[in-house]
Amino acid sequence: EIVMTQSPGTLSVSPGERATLSCRASQSVSSNLAWYQQKPGQAPRLLIYGASTRATGIPARFSGTGSGTEFTLTISSLQSEDFAVYYCQQYYNWPPFTFGPGTKVDIK
Amino acid sequence: QVQLVESGGGLVKPGGSLRLSCAASGFTFSDHYMSWMRQAPGKGLEWVSHVSRDNSYTNYADSVKGRFTISRDNAKKSLYLQMNSLRAEDTAIYYCARISTGESYFEYWGQGTLVTVSS
Repeated sequence: EIVMTQSPGTLSVSPGERATLSCRASQSVSSNLAWYQQKPGQAPRLLIYGASTRATGIPARFSGTGSGTEFTLTISSLQSEDFAVYYCQQYYNWPPFTFGPGTKVDIK
Repeated sequence: QVQLVESGGGLVKPGGSLRLSCAASGFTFSDHYMSWMRQAPGKGLEWVSHVSRDNSYTNYADSVKGRFTISRDNAKKSLYLQMNSLRAEDTAIYYCARISTGESYFEYWGQGTLVTVSS
């Protein structure tokens, strides 16, 4: 099973600032990596797939990079609606599909 | 627009059973693999199971294998999860999700249904 880790656990950022979230896989997942956003009381929403392709309707301030075992989600200028928990997920080697533990982005 | 609506959650005693349903609309249901995920209170996301387009292929997380059964009815555009021998640790919000064609990420998620296992 591929184990996903994320850092930091919590990221405190001021509105308008840049946020950088990291995700690491225990073995290579190539570019088979997705990012999801989850707000309190809501279902997760797909942000990024293929490590760097934005899903339909996702603003350009969200960008994903990386391949192999190291990945980054960057939010270039945080808006109030971006404060949420972000999860990465690998779909290279399954079952099982595995998620990281999440990074909470909160207001500084 | 794509809609996934789960139902069937509730309070059940340990050892009991429950059947979750997910009604799909806004897309050709039979074109997509479908999956169930869950999220325990205050915890992260856990993949539970998925099913192929024609019910011929299923997979389960080790934590539910032998107790849960996933199925689908393409004519009714519905996905199901039969949960037996429920345990306290199965308490979670259960989400159904559509898997993208070609790659196996979760494109769309329902709003979830809460399952509570408690005596």
